[in-house]
Amino acid sequence: DTGVSQDPRHKITKRGQNVTFRCDPISEHNRLYWYRQTLGQGPEFLTYFQNEAQLEKSRLLSDRFSAERPKGSFSTLEIQRTEQGDSAMYLCASSSDLVANQPQHFGDGTRLSIL
Amino acid sequence: AQRVTQPEKLLSVFKGAPVELKCNYSYSGSPELFWYVQYSRQRLQLLLRHISRESIKGFTADLNKGETSFHLKKPFAQEEDSAMYYCALSDNSNSGYALNFGKGTSLLVTP
Repeated sequence: DTGVSQDPRHKITKRGQNVTFRCDPISEHNRLYWYRQTLGQGPEFLTYFQNEAQLEKSRLLSDRFSAERPKGSFSTLEIQRTEQGDSAMYLCASSSDLVANQPQHFGDGTRLSIL
Repeated sequence: AQRVTQPEKLLSVFKGAPVELKCNYSYSGSPELFWYVQYSRQRLQLLLRHISRESIKGFTADLNKGETSFHLKKPFAQEEDSAMYYCALSDNSNSGYALNFGKGTSLLVTP
């Protein structure tokens, strides 16, 4: 198992464009999280899926952001009409709910740069 | 509101010296705390969690509810310990136990 996989590793786009990121969690993990990390900050929670259901969304997740996990496996995070402030590292993490508070395993992240 | 504070942005120590990375938290309830580490060009990974009460790579961390602290300690720092360290608190009000992270402390161990 290669762990949590994210694609692409880097994305450079012009302001106003739409972007989509993909996350493949560890195969037996039913919980999936998205975080955003900006320079000098720790990761900040964006949203959480339990299987295919999106159960939590942070106030950081504006209406330009949408996340899906259609079959309870991989997930996508889309940002519409990107803005300069969206430039950040977007991290995906997964865990199992077999036991409460199982550690989250992180991917390498997708670094988004808005020109 | 839950908050995790790591007061030191950068900590520099000599090899063989003791190291303590500070973490304070605010939380109403029973906290679940973690230390995550990110080595250069690697992904964020779990170092240890307080309920395990174990030592990983020589690091330990004790939860002090009175002082609301979860400081990370190692008696003799090694050069390979140089990394970014994040303290994190599990949000038990969040159905998925999402993590609240501190801003991180960059540890530099010099020879």
